[in-house]
Amino acid sequence: GAVVSQHPSWVICKSGTSVKIECRSLDFQATTMFWYRQFPKQSLMLMATSNEGSKATYEQGVEKDKFLINHASLTLSTLTVTSAHPEDSSFYICSAGQGVNQPQHFGDGTRLSIL
Amino acid sequence: AQSVAQPEDQVNVAEGNPLTVKCTYSVSGNPYLFWYVQYPNRGLQFLLKYITGDNLVKGSYGFEAEFNKSQTSFHLKKPSALVSDSALYFCAVRDIQAAGNKLTFGGGTRVLVKP
Repeated sequence: GAVVSQHPSWVICKSGTSVKIECRSLDFQATTMFWYRQFPKQSLMLMATSNEGSKATYEQGVEKDKFLINHASLTLSTLTVTSAHPEDSSFYICSAGQGVNQPQHFGDGTRLSIL
Repeated sequence: AQSVAQPEDQVNVAEGNPLTVKCTYSVSGNPYLFWYVQYPNRGLQFLLKYITGDNLVKGSYGFEAEFNKSQTSFHLKKPSALVSDSALYFCAVRDIQAAGNKLTFGGGTRVLVKP
């Protein structure tokens, strides 16, 4: 089956640090990758959609300068949380899609804790 | 616009009993429908999807779902629940006539299967 690897799984860092999260599709090429944020006991909130080689499309209310997304290849997308602050602490999940009638395949998420 | 409603925050069921998790959706066109399961501190795992064809869809781990167009529902079912089915379940919809591959998720339903 389609596997998406997300790394790191857990990050604890000081306020002001920038944190990069990687999302890789291991056995398929992902035309589109998605970045979600999930708060405790809540559903997933889509942050942005990225297509290989083009700029990411951010959802309303998501700061593009705060959450930098790079989709350099069909198998790799990165999310960088710049100058992270405690309010950025959350569970971030990526997913990769192959087409409109195919399911998105999700990474295992990254728990980000900013002290 | 597309939306998904999961009316129950939590479903409790005894092991061996049937399990149903409800989902209703709203799209302007025809829907693609998906069910995912999430275990603690993990990403989402794909269970099943409805794209077209038979209204009854069979998926992973013995789960199935029935697409009902007149009721705009896509309830998830399992004839005999296991304790290991305890998790958070998400229904998601994609409008096939909408641009892009974005999924809209329901709020999630926590399933607790008691021994």
